[in-house]
Amino acid sequence: KNQVEQSPQSLIILEGKNCTLQCNYTVSPFSNLRWYKQDTGRGPVSLTIMTFSENTKSNGRYTATLDADTKQSSLHITASQLSDSASYICVVSPIGGTYKYIFGTGTRLKVLA
Amino acid sequence: NAGVTQTPKFRILKIGQSMTLQCTQDMNHNYMYWYRQDPGMGLKLIYYSVGAGITDKGEVPNGYNVSRSTTEDFPLRLELAAPSQTSVYFCASSYLAGGGETQYFGPGTRLLVL
Repeated sequence: KNQVEQSPQSLIILEGKNCTLQCNYTVSPFSNLRWYKQDTGRGPVSLTIMTFSENTKSNGRYTATLDADTKQSSLHITASQLSDSASYICVVSPIGGTYKYIFGTGTRLKVLA
Repeated sequence: NAGVTQTPKFRILKIGQSMTLQCTQDMNHNYMYWYRQDPGMGLKLIYYSVGAGITDKGEVPNGYNVSRSTTEDFPLRLELAAPSQTSVYFCASSYLAGGGETQYFGPGTRLLVL
């Protein structure tokens, strides 16, 4: 069964610190893996999109990495800001499932001043 | 561009009532999607559309209907609302599908069925 699991479920860090969020997936083969940021009460917003052949993709202070061999991805946030407080969702698109995006349950990040 | 807009923001329904959730996008996207997000769960695809006049079921279509008469609009209809349909509903759109395209999400409609 195609699954996307994220860890930790929730995380609290101090402003200015770095953090790394994990995504493990069983979807295979897949065409791309995405990370979204979802603020409370809002819709998800795309942060990064990586194809199966890419290892890393950056968007400002957000860097996503992908290890297709171990079926793991991580999202690293550098120099966190209060505005980074949100849920971060990992999404995997299987090959052949054109309209099928398998969403993880997300990691809820809280950044404290 | 307003992007993807959804109305209403919040609604309370009684069991058995019906309603339509509205979704409009102004980006001329062909592909549109309806998802539901339950607490502690990943988004689940309800219905999707590849263009005006073409719709198809996603993972969890039971209890819902859609139509796509124009490129811009993709309303979701709930018939005979049930407590299990209490959720947050997100509409999304994209120019392409299946590749590295970006999905753009609306702000969501929070629905409570009592």
